[in-house]
Amino acid sequence: EAQVTQNPRYLITVTGKKLTVTCSQNMNHEYMSWYRQDPGLGLRQIYYSMNVEVTDKGDVPEGYKVSRKEKRNFPLILESPSPNQTSLYFCASSFDGTAYEQYFGPGTRLTVT
Amino acid sequence: GQQLNQSPQSMFIQEGEDVSMNCTSSSIFNTWLWYKQDPGEGPVLLIALYKAGELTSNGRLTAQFGITRKDSFLNISASIPSDVGIYFCAGFDNYGQNFVFGPGTRLSVLP
Repeated sequence: EAQVTQNPRYLITVTGKKLTVTCSQNMNHEYMSWYRQDPGLGLRQIYYSMNVEVTDKGDVPEGYKVSRKEKRNFPLILESPSPNQTSLYFCASSFDGTAYEQYFGPGTRLTVT
Repeated sequence: GQQLNQSPQSMFIQEGEDVSMNCTSSSIFNTWLWYKQDPGEGPVLLIALYKAGELTSNGRLTAQFGITRKDSFLNISASIPSDVGIYFCAGFDNYGQNFVFGPGTRLSVLP
């Protein structure tokens, strides 16, 4: 089954404790992306990747890092989480940057206290 | 940065009614997309629009790409309970290769 998986689905952590949210897709997609969703703001793109070893900042990259060492995986790293990063995070993938049908993962709800 | 506005923010309608929502932008996009998000799920693409003036249907859904390339609307005809959810518009910026999403329209359908 074609899908995007994210782990963990829920995470509660404390300020400053490094964490990684994993994202994996099994569709051989080139384009992958991370979004955060906050009430009233919709989805805002954090980082995206056009292909392996190619990443670029979206609209809200501050406080986040990503890497794309393999085509299928695109982890989101918070080196020193802060409470304003409490949010619902979605990973998405599409065939390439010009194929607009993005497949979204189920979401990761992160709370930073 | 680029921003999209959606109206209305939320709407309550009776089952069977038609629905119309729209999305406007301060800047031009080359592609407009409409997504639906069910509670606890990620967004799912409903319709993609690639050309100014384009009108596209997907079952009971119809969307149009505005001539100015700064707006789009989505219509849902004969609404049913499973239409409940949040509808997002999104614009794709060919230069930056990034997607910009609107804040969403929350639709509730009353039986």
